[in-house]
Amino acid sequence: KQEVTQIPAALSVPEGENLVLNCSFTDSAIYNLQWFRQDPGKGLTSLLLIQSSQREQTSGRLNASLDKSSGRSTLYIAASQPGDSATYLCAVRRDNYGQNFVFGPGTRLSVLP
Amino acid sequence: NAGVTQTPKFQVLKTGQSMTLQCAQDMNHEYMSWYRQDPGMGLRLIHYSVGAGITDQGEVPNGYNVSRSTTEDFPLRLLSAAPSQTSVYFCASSSSGTFYTDTQYFGPGTRLTVL
Repeated sequence: KQEVTQIPAALSVPEGENLVLNCSFTDSAIYNLQWFRQDPGKGLTSLLLIQSSQREQTSGRLNASLDKSSGRSTLYIAASQPGDSATYLCAVRRDNYGQNFVFGPGTRLSVLP
Repeated sequence: NAGVTQTPKFQVLKTGQSMTLQCAQDMNHEYMSWYRQDPGMGLRLIHYSVGAGITDQGEVPNGYNVSRSTTEDFPLRLLSAAPSQTSVYFCASSSSGTFYTDTQYFGPGTRLTVL
């Protein structure tokens, strides 16, 4: 059974710092991996999607990497801003039938002005 | 284009009551899913659908029913509510689209409390 963990559970950093959020999964046979952002009381917004054949994806100040063999993905946020404060979740898709995602519990990020 | 919409936003039920959570999307997506989110546990898949008339169980299907009579709508029914079903429920959709590349779109969620 696929299990997804995220470390740390919570993180507080001063504005301007570069930071790394970690995601680990137990079964390396994944279809793709997606990083989401969730603001309090809101739904999830997709940030980056990495195909199983890719090593990384970039969008603005965000960079996500994927190492399937070790069961790890990292989300790198450059020059953090208070507006980046949110919970970040990673989700692993098991196959291409339907939406069989397994989510991690999330990392709650606070960026202090 | 409203994306994925969910109603109601909040609901309080008594144990044993039944209700339907509504989900609709206007993006003509084939795939739709229901998740529940509990503190510290991430999102868990309840049921999903790969097209009108086709549904399947996810990780935690007990106590819930779904149907998919149209592409746009995917309601979730609680048959006899229990306190363990207190949670935030999210509906999501995506296109089967290009191989590998489908992104999930989420609704704003329904916060359900069962007393």
